[in-house]
Amino acid sequence: EAGVTQSPTHLIKTRGQQATLRCSPISGHTSVYWYQQALGLGLQFLLWYDEGEERNRGNFPPRFSGRQFPNYSSELNVNALELEDSALYLCASSLYTSGSGGEQYFGPGTRLTVT
Amino acid sequence: AQSVSQHNHHVILSEAASLELGCNYSYGGTVNLFWYVQYPGQHLQLLLKYFSGDPLVKGIKGFEAEFIKSKFSFNLRKPSVQWSDTAEYFCAVKGSSNTGKLIFGQGTTLQVKP
Repeated sequence: EAGVTQSPTHLIKTRGQQATLRCSPISGHTSVYWYQQALGLGLQFLLWYDEGEERNRGNFPPRFSGRQFPNYSSELNVNALELEDSALYLCASSLYTSGSGGEQYFGPGTRLTVT
Repeated sequence: AQSVSQHNHHVILSEAASLELGCNYSYGGTVNLFWYVQYPGQHLQLLLKYFSGDPLVKGIKGFEAEFIKSKFSFNLRKPSVQWSDTAEYFCAVKGSSNTGKLIFGQGTTLQVKP
């Protein structure tokens, strides 16, 4: 069974540009999560999508946005890039379950570098 | 605010030594608890999880963890480490409210010397 896949592996952008990161969940998973792993800040929750809807977002500015497509794949968009947006962006997927269950499975990440 | 604290940032052990990595969380309700591992050059993998029931959970590769509710702890253990256990280990918590959010600790780098 294929795991979570992400593209591209690396992305280099200039300050002020926009970045688009993509994620395909494990087959059968309807929930997709995005996390940022910045140096010194650990893994921070960004966004949660399920059935095409944004269910929750972390403490990030609105220039971080995304969407989930009918096939459950997802896209993370970061507008007006700033130097501090340089980080590893991880996507995870899970089966949607009500309450607190549903372990998350992670992809390999996209390394975003803003110069 | 919810938080997870991993006490050991960098641990160095010799092969066959026993391992215990500490994890404490701050959350005032029912939690789900996880340990993830990231081997060099690989992505985060789920090592084990606790949802309910027996507080001693067993995971892959001989790892286990014990949930002690009174101490808000979920320490990871392995009786005898191998060189291949060299990796970064992350403790994570998800609260009972359905936010989807995993809160991660800062991670512990484990180096096992052959």
